[in-house]
Amino acid sequence: NAGVTQTPKFQVLKTGQSMTLQCAQDMNHEYMSWYRQDPGMGLRLIHYSVGAGITDQGEVPNGYNVSRSTTEDFPLRLLSAAPSQTSVYFCASSYSIRFGVQETQYFGPGTRLLVL
Amino acid sequence: GQQLNQSPQSMFIQEGEDVSMNCTSSSIFNTWLWYKQDPGEGPVLLIALYKAGELTSNGRLTAQFGITRKDSFLNISASIPSDVGIYFCAGRPTHKLIFGTGTRLQVFP
Repeated sequence: NAGVTQTPKFQVLKTGQSMTLQCAQDMNHEYMSWYRQDPGMGLRLIHYSVGAGITDQGEVPNGYNVSRSTTEDFPLRLLSAAPSQTSVYFCASSYSIRFGVQETQYFGPGTRLLVL
Repeated sequence: GQQLNQSPQSMFIQEGEDVSMNCTSSSIFNTWLWYKQDPGEGPVLLIALYKAGELTSNGRLTAQFGITRKDSFLNISASIPSDVGIYFCAGRPTHKLIFGTGTRLQVFP
C-alpha cells in the first residue's frame, strides 16, 4: 500500500491563479480531509468527506473547493490563489470518524504552497 | 475557528529528562488524541483516549483524558534525541478533529 499520497510536493503560484492539489489513498478509507498548517496555528480543517459524493466544510473553507467522486481521490481546488493561502496542506484519511488507534487517521506528506 | 490551547509552546530539555505538556478546551470532547510531527512530514498518531479519566501508555509516552473532558496531558519519560519534533493534541467534539497549536520539543544530548 502506498498510503496517502499528495501531489505536488511544492508549488509556487501567482495571485489569482487556480490549481488543484491532488490526494489519493489506497486503503479503502471512507473518511478523507484536508488541513492547512500555518506557523503557530496547528492544523486547521478546510474540508472533509465521509464518503464518495459527500463533502462538508471545516473551519476554514473559504477560497477552496473539494469533490469526492471516488473513494480513493479527494482533490482540493484553489479557485483564485491569494497570499493568505500560502501554507502547508495535508490530506488525511481514516477508516472511520472515530480517529482512534484502530481507525487511525493517516496523513500524507504535505504540499508546500507559496502564493506570490 | 475553535482551537485548543496547548502548552508549553516549546521545550528545550536534556536527554534523559521527563517532559510534560497539556491541552485545554472550552468545550467537552469525546476523544482526545496525541500526534507527533517530524520535520517535513505529516503527523503520526501516538495515543488515543476515549473515556474521561483514562490513562494510556505507549512505551515511554503516557497520556490522560481529563476528568472534566476539557483537557488532556502527555508525558514523555526519559527523553531521547529522536523525541525531537512537534507534538499536537487533537480533540473530537463531533466528527471533526480540532488540533492544538503544538509543542515543539528539542532534546539536547
